[in-house]
Amino acid sequence: EVQLVESGGGLVKPGGSLRLSCAASGFTFSSYSMNWVRQAPGKGLEWVSSISSSSSYIYYADSVKGRFTISRDNAKNSLYLQMNSLRAEDTAVYYCAREDLYDFDPWGQGTLVTVSS
Amino acid sequence: EIVLTQSPGTLSLSPGERATLSCRASQSVSSSYLAWYQQKPGQAPRLLIYGASSRATGIPDRFSGSGSGTDFTLTISRLEPEDFAVYYCQQYGSSPPVTFGPGTKVDIK
Repeated sequence: EVQLVESGGGLVKPGGSLRLSCAASGFTFSSYSMNWVRQAPGKGLEWVSSISSSSSYIYYADSVKGRFTISRDNAKNSLYLQMNSLRAEDTAVYYCAREDLYDFDPWGQGTLVTVSS
Repeated sequence: EIVLTQSPGTLSLSPGERATLSCRASQSVSSSYLAWYQQKPGQAPRLLIYGASSRATGIPDRFSGSGSGTDFTLTISRLEPEDFAVYYCQQYGSSPPVTFGPGTKVDIK
């Protein structure tokens, strides 16, 4: 079974840092691009970042560029999102998702990040 | 940046009725790059339709997608109780690579 499991969310103060992880199983992780998508409470979906299978291509939304860093470890079947200089507006559920050509399937269950003093 | 607009914002229908959801892009989108997702409360989004009209694995045939260029449609032929949810369209482009529409909520009338 293809599965993605996020972890690392929690409560952090404005200006703080957090590192999210996504553990993949049930497929050849090293063959797929991966993405982070977030959803603020009661809001829609916002794409955050993507990384190609070999980490050669990395993209960020303007809203997180310069503050967030996406990375992956294919040997560990894991995806990461290092989030620095966090702001209240970064509060959201963060999902990792496998990129299957031009769409996302599957998605993890999400991890909640709350930025508040 | 390609902006996606979904209408209506909320669709109130009864089980058994037909639902027609619209997704309009600010510029032309290749059909290959248009997808639809369903999200229920407290759950992650689930891929329904990819390539504008292909159903994802395990998706019932009451769900269908159509359209091209800037206008795309998701149709649910006969609403089942489990279909009441929020639906998002998504396009895969160049910069930024991915954008989502704001969503259409299908709720019970």
